[in-house]
Amino acid sequence: GQSLEQPSEVTAVEGAIVQINCTYQTSGFYGLSWYQQHDGGAPTFLSYNGLDGLEETGRFSSFLSRSDSYGYLLLQELQMKDSASYFCAVRDRGWSGNTPLVFGKGTRLSVIA
Amino acid sequence: DTAVSQTPKYLVTQMGNDKSIKCEQNLGHDTMYWYKQDSKKFLKIMFSYNNKELIINETVPNRFSPKSPDKAHLNLHINSLELGDSAVYFCASEGLASNEQFFGPGTRLTVL
Repeated sequence: GQSLEQPSEVTAVEGAIVQINCTYQTSGFYGLSWYQQHDGGAPTFLSYNGLDGLEETGRFSSFLSRSDSYGYLLLQELQMKDSASYFCAVRDRGWSGNTPLVFGKGTRLSVIA
Repeated sequence: DTAVSQTPKYLVTQMGNDKSIKCEQNLGHDTMYWYKQDSKKFLKIMFSYNNKELIINETVPNRFSPKSPDKAHLNLHINSLELGDSAVYFCASEGLASNEQFFGPGTRLTVL
């Protein structure tokens, strides 16, 4: 079977750093993505890792270790607007942009003052 | 300009009815998807279309029938609605060799 494991909830203080981990077990692996979803909203793309290492985009970074089937999303300088659900997702059927994503169950991040 | 749009945003209906959800993307993408998000926020692929052709059909009851009249549109028709169909349905699109899927705003379906 296929599974992606991530914590269900995380709480962090405004201005702090938080790391959301994701481990995966899938039949194929063609990259790990992260999506953000605010309550009542649509998932929006944050980052993608196809190769091992760290990808940085502003306050957000994402890391992948294929040998460990593990990745994480790092959010720095947390802001109240970062309160949302964060999903890791694996593309398990191919590299090209016509294969669906397998999503984890999401981590609900609450940022408190 | 909305990249991926869906109508309606909310849909409340009785068990046994037939309903449709429409999706359109103006990004010029070849691939479109339907995902279902249940009450626990679990997102699961239902269908994948590439250039109007069905690529992937996950284990979805055949009461669900997608239709793609052209590559910018992917509609979802649901027959004989059941209580368990209540969920948020998201349409998404993606370009070839892309790493980013663009999601529509979702359609919240409630079956009474």
